[in-house]
Amino acid sequence: SAVISQKPSRDICQRGTSLTIQCQVDSQVTMMFWYRQQPGQSLTLIATANQGSEATYESGFVIDKFPISRPNLTFSTLTVSNMSPEDSSIYLCSVGSREQYFGPGTRLTVL
Amino acid sequence: DQQVKQNSPSLSVQEGRISILNCDYTNSMFDYFLWYKKYPAEGPTFLISISSIKDKNEDGRFTVFLNKSAKHLSLHIVPSQPGDSAVYFCPRPTSGTYKYIFGTGTRLKVLA
Repeated sequence: SAVISQKPSRDICQRGTSLTIQCQVDSQVTMMFWYRQQPGQSLTLIATANQGSEATYESGFVIDKFPISRPNLTFSTLTVSNMSPEDSSIYLCSVGSREQYFGPGTRLTVL
Repeated sequence: DQQVKQNSPSLSVQEGRISILNCDYTNSMFDYFLWYKKYPAEGPTFLISISSIKDKNEDGRFTVFLNKSAKHLSLHIVPSQPGDSAVYFCPRPTSGTYKYIFGTGTRLKVLA
């Protein structure tokens, strides 16, 4: 298993601003994933972030809106850009392959 | 089609009794199946998995059953405890990847 931390744990942001969410893992991992859980909805995969390559985005998500960095095997960031109230969600990172381990999430509220 | 269906959005069970959570799937090409549980304000936690070549896997109070002919997966928790109250998911990977599709989950409430 892996221990994953996320920063910030929560934030309240103004419309039009950007927020960068950090994901730190206690061991080196190849595959890292970013998910979103909108209010009342299930988890939706945003993108896959593998070290040494560009992130790959799922349908409906674009790099300009959700730029991702993966500078090394223990760390990644997801930026939510030009935020609107519709971006209010819990954002989670996960690592692993068949069995994935999730961070505690970042609760974002956009006013 | 890689949809996952958890047809029961919620389930209430008395403490000490058995909880049975169900998933139906449409794609038979997966070699494993998993269950996750999620508490409020936390990320999902891996619970138990089963290989597609097996029909049962047990880990303490948790047993997963796989019925390949019916394309049906179930999780049995016995005896149920109040701490088991959570949302349970049976996510499916998209073909050839580890990218998971999560359904709506089943909210289990174990009553003391």
